[in-house]
Amino acid sequence: DAGITQSPRHKVTETGTPVTLRCHQTENHRYMYWYRQDPGHGLRLIHYSYGVKDTDKGEVSDGYSVSRSKTEDFLLTLESATSSQTSVYFCASGSLTSGEQYFGPGTRLTVT
Amino acid sequence: QQPVQSPQAVILREGEDAVINCSSSKALYSVHWYRQKHGEAPVFLMILLKGGEQKGHEKISASFNEKKQQSSLYLTASQLSYSGTYFCGRSTEGNEKLTFGTGTRLTIIP
Repeated sequence: DAGITQSPRHKVTETGTPVTLRCHQTENHRYMYWYRQDPGHGLRLIHYSYGVKDTDKGEVSDGYSVSRSKTEDFLLTLESATSSQTSVYFCASGSLTSGEQYFGPGTRLTVT
Repeated sequence: QQPVQSPQAVILREGEDAVINCSSSKALYSVHWYRQKHGEAPVFLMILLKGGEQKGHEKISASFNEKKQQSSLYLTASQLSYSGTYFCGRSTEGNEKLTFGTGTRLTIIP
């Protein structure tokens, strides 16, 4: 299995506070992704990165920003958390054209 | 728009076969299938590329109809370990983004 970790694994925060989730991969993958998973919606892409400092928006990017300063790290920031951002967040790395995406274990975020 | 998966849920007895369908309103370049068990991360099953190439696990088979913009996943002689939610994801040409369907929950009972 690819080495991909997420931190924290669980977080409870209050509305209006900033939150940063971290994803770390040890496979030297060029592409990294952030998804959120909600009941009835499956997995939805928030942002993705195709290299260091190269990022692009996904289908549900409003309210989120990302940064990638190193190949192995991809950060997701909620500038001012809202209750609608309560979700399970998955990070993934890998290339679609060459094969599979490897998913991290997920972060359960609750915004109260 | 997200791909549409059918059925949304299915219950099978061990040893029975299942077919899960994935339909896209956009032209497909590749279709990816993942399985997710409760509380765990999605795990890759198979990728089907435009032109017929397939990569994946030996015991899983799938089809890809480019003209109909559909893919189907075939699970034969199901085992208890096949239980989980199956997701298809589609990419369009020249695009490294996947759009996932809403999932099909498969339950295998003894």
